[in-house]
Amino acid sequence: QLQLQESGPGLVKPSETLSLTCTVSGASISSDDHYWDWIRQPPGKGLEWIATIHYSGPTYYNPSLRSRVTISVDTSKSQFSLKLSSVTAADTAEYYCARHTRDSGDFYWGQGTLLTVSS
Amino acid sequence: QTVVTQEPSFSVSPGGTVTLTCGLTSGSVSNSNCPSWYQQTPGQAPRTLIYNTNILSSGVPDRFSGSILGNKVALTITGAQADDESVYYCVLYMGSGLWVFGGGTRLTVL
Repeated sequence: QLQLQESGPGLVKPSETLSLTCTVSGASISSDDHYWDWIRQPPGKGLEWIATIHYSGPTYYNPSLRSRVTISVDTSKSQFSLKLSSVTAADTAEYYCARHTRDSGDFYWGQGTLLTVSS
Repeated sequence: QTVVTQEPSFSVSPGGTVTLTCGLTSGSVSNSNCPSWYQQTPGQAPRTLIYNTNILSSGVPDRFSGSILGNKVALTITGAQADDESVYYCVLYMGSGLWVFGGGTRLTVL
């Protein structure tokens, strides 16, 4: 059974860089047919797709966040990560990691981790 | 910039049928957008209901169904139950690896 577990600092200061990690268990992160995603949800608001990575390297970014976001994968640790630079209060959100299948909108979600930006 | 549109809110009577839609501010939704639907209750992660227009996710009751409706995609709930009261999100694949979520529809069952 696939499990996705997000981890992060919980609180970051404005202008800093946030780093989040998703640990994958119960399935191989090195699957040709699957892609790994970060999605966020500000409190009381809707979902926003942030970025996607395939274990072999290709990355895809939300154009509105591209200049501040880096997604990466560490197959040896079965983890993928998100870095978001120059954070502001607008980046306060629940951050979900997810997996989707090639050519499919079937996203499998982690439970999420709350990231608050505050001084 | 193309935006994915959903009704902000909808209500349905218990046992009734409701159809929520997901569209684009420019153009029509098609199967190539891999339209998918998620249900979210407060404090929980989203749950996949329907993916690729009309494929029911594992464990989801068959009173949920998906279809193309004109230039939009639709989620229909037949025989609504109290625990269907949730926020429903659609997502569309826009090509080049990019996904866009709709703003969500808050469904009230009363």
